[in-house]
Amino acid sequence: GENVEQHPSTLSVQEGDSAVIKCTYSDSASNYFPWYKQELGKGPQLIIDIRSNVGEKKDQRIAVTLNKTAKHFSLHITETQPEDSAVYFCAAFSGSARQLTFGSGTQLTVLP
Amino acid sequence: DGGITQSPKYLFRKEGQNVTLSCEQNLNHDAMYWYRQDPGQGLRLIYYSQIVNDFQKGDIAEGYSVSREKKESFPLTVTSAQKNPTAFYLCASSNTYRANTEAFFGQGTRLTVV
Repeated sequence: GENVEQHPSTLSVQEGDSAVIKCTYSDSASNYFPWYKQELGKGPQLIIDIRSNVGEKKDQRIAVTLNKTAKHFSLHITETQPEDSAVYFCAAFSGSARQLTFGSGTQLTVLP
Repeated sequence: DGGITQSPKYLFRKEGQNVTLSCEQNLNHDAMYWYRQDPGQGLRLIYYSQIVNDFQKGDIAEGYSVSREKKESFPLTVTSAQKNPTAFYLCASSNTYRANTEAFFGQGTRLTVV
């Protein structure tokens, strides 16, 4: 089955700096890669996603890149703000298994 | 408003009791999922269902049971066989048979064994 690894597990940045979270996946059949943000005590919410036919996608301060050959994808947050502090999860959707597999999460803290 | 609703938000269970967590969606999604989240941990798949009256075990199904009698509903029962049930439980749904496979999550149920 699919295996998704996520790094780092914790990340602290100064307000205004950039944050980068990286994930690798194992199943070459995976074709959809969402990123979720989870605030304390709440369910995860989708913030950006990318499909396997695209190498990069950007939405304001958030961007995701995908390298299918190397089987890794990354989340980039620029000009970080305190409200960006949360746990971020990457995931990979396998077309063969038809299910999402999540990474272990990254606790991002933006220091004022 | 369309969405996915979990209830209750907090649940307390005595040892040896079965409890059922509710998950309802009005998004007309085919697939529904249950995940378990422990403190500081990722999401582990318990069960999933891609169609009514059918479901599959995930990575940690032991001690749990589900049913999918209606498209909108996917209740999870935590049985007395689950030795360490205290956790945050998340339900999700998606349209896996369409191009957009975004999963929507409920707000979770925090289960505590007392």
